[in-house]
Amino acid sequence: QKEVEQNSGPLSVPEGAIASLNCTYSDRGSQSFFWYRQYSGKSPELIMSIYSNGDKEDGRFTAQLNKASQYVSLLIRDSQPSDSATYLCAVMSGTSYGKLTFGQGTILTVHP
Amino acid sequence: EAGVAQSPRYKIIEKRQSVAFWCNPISGHATLYWYQQILGQGPKLLIQFQNNGVVDDSQLPKDRFSAERLKGVDSTLKIQPAKLEDSAVYLCASSLYGTGGYQETQYFGPGTRLLVL
Repeated sequence: QKEVEQNSGPLSVPEGAIASLNCTYSDRGSQSFFWYRQYSGKSPELIMSIYSNGDKEDGRFTAQLNKASQYVSLLIRDSQPSDSATYLCAVMSGTSYGKLTFGQGTILTVHP
Repeated sequence: EAGVAQSPRYKIIEKRQSVAFWCNPISGHATLYWYQQILGQGPKLLIQFQNNGVVDDSQLPKDRFSAERLKGVDSTLKIQPAKLEDSAVYLCASSLYGTGGYQETQYFGPGTRLLVL
């Protein structure tokens, strides 16, 4: 089992729709969860972080965390073509601060 | 505030040659990370420095990869000799404290694209 696994893509949604990205992790001791956006040929850019169960909203982005199910998700509302990118889920161990384990990424395409 | 700087941006070498990458973190950041990102995969941590000490190098192929962070600022990552499977983007990241807490944000540099022929 992979340590961090994301829903297989690519994911294609029409402009204005909600894009849903999912991630599961294996380490029950994980404390911190991050979503990075990576445009083609660019470096990852942090868009959301979440540390406790529930929802966290920031503009059009909502991160959801369920530690009991070892599941974290990212919702993008009113998707725009500029949201087209690879979205990386990253998990930080509760025992090795600073060490991020990334999922394989989900490619999102928002078509006009 | 200047971001994480890396050089070179691109490098093409033949297998069995050596190559070195350089990283300058955000000023004042104590922790520096080197990641390897193979095409179609997420970044994989190779080594983590806290100031000039190594915190984690468990995934660094030590028979061919080496890294140092002299004086706790700049860092270099070296591959010697390179293999075809080393073709990847090498990302450097930094964070303010790193091991100081679980809410640290890591900031990534632009990366170095390595192609081994």
